[in-house]
Amino acid sequence: RKEVEQDPGPFNVPEGATVAFNCTYSNSASQSFFWYRQDCRKEPKLLMSVYSSGNEDGRFTAQLNRASQYISLLIRDSKLSDSATYLCVVNTAGSQGNLIFGKGTKLSVKP
Amino acid sequence: NAGVTQTPKFRVLKTGQSMTLLCAQDMNHEYMYWYRQDPGMGLRLIHYSVGEGTTAKGEVPDGYNVSRLKKQNFLLGLESAAPSQTSVYFCASSALYEQYFGPGTRLTVT
Repeated sequence: RKEVEQDPGPFNVPEGATVAFNCTYSNSASQSFFWYRQDCRKEPKLLMSVYSSGNEDGRFTAQLNRASQYISLLIRDSKLSDSATYLCVVNTAGSQGNLIFGKGTKLSVKP
Repeated sequence: NAGVTQTPKFRVLKTGQSMTLLCAQDMNHEYMYWYRQDPGMGLRLIHYSVGEGTTAKGEVPDGYNVSRLKKQNFLLGLESAAPSQTSVYFCASSALYEQYFGPGTRLTVT
């Protein structure tokens, strides 16, 4: 089983749609979880951290299910500017800051 | 506050040539990282550093060397470039887990 798995997509959605991305991780000892966004030919940028209780930042909601080793990202009211690749990221337990990146899910929001 | 910067942005090398990629951060972060990103492979960790004067191997260290002589700088060296090292190289830094990336270096080895 790969350490961090994501559906590669692409997800093609119309503006205003709600879209959800899922991610599973293999190391049950992982403690920190993140979603990064990467635009085409650009560097990854931190979108949000994922907390045990779930957290929301505007149109974005992240959820964590430790029992199922599952992370999700929900985007409401999609904008054209949300088009990007979304990377699920998990720390390597005991790794002094090292992270494992999923291969990403590509989102394309159409007018 | 520039964050994380990388030089150069682009480079073309011939097989067997050497080069050094420079990463600089102005956030006083202890941890710094070098990744490569290839189509279909995602980001893979090459080497990392947990502080000035320290370095450690990541997932794909072969063919690369690194040095962290100053806290703000992390250098990645290719002693004898190979076509398999054609990739986009990203540097990142962090205080702990939240990593901040530089804009990347696109390297082509012919």
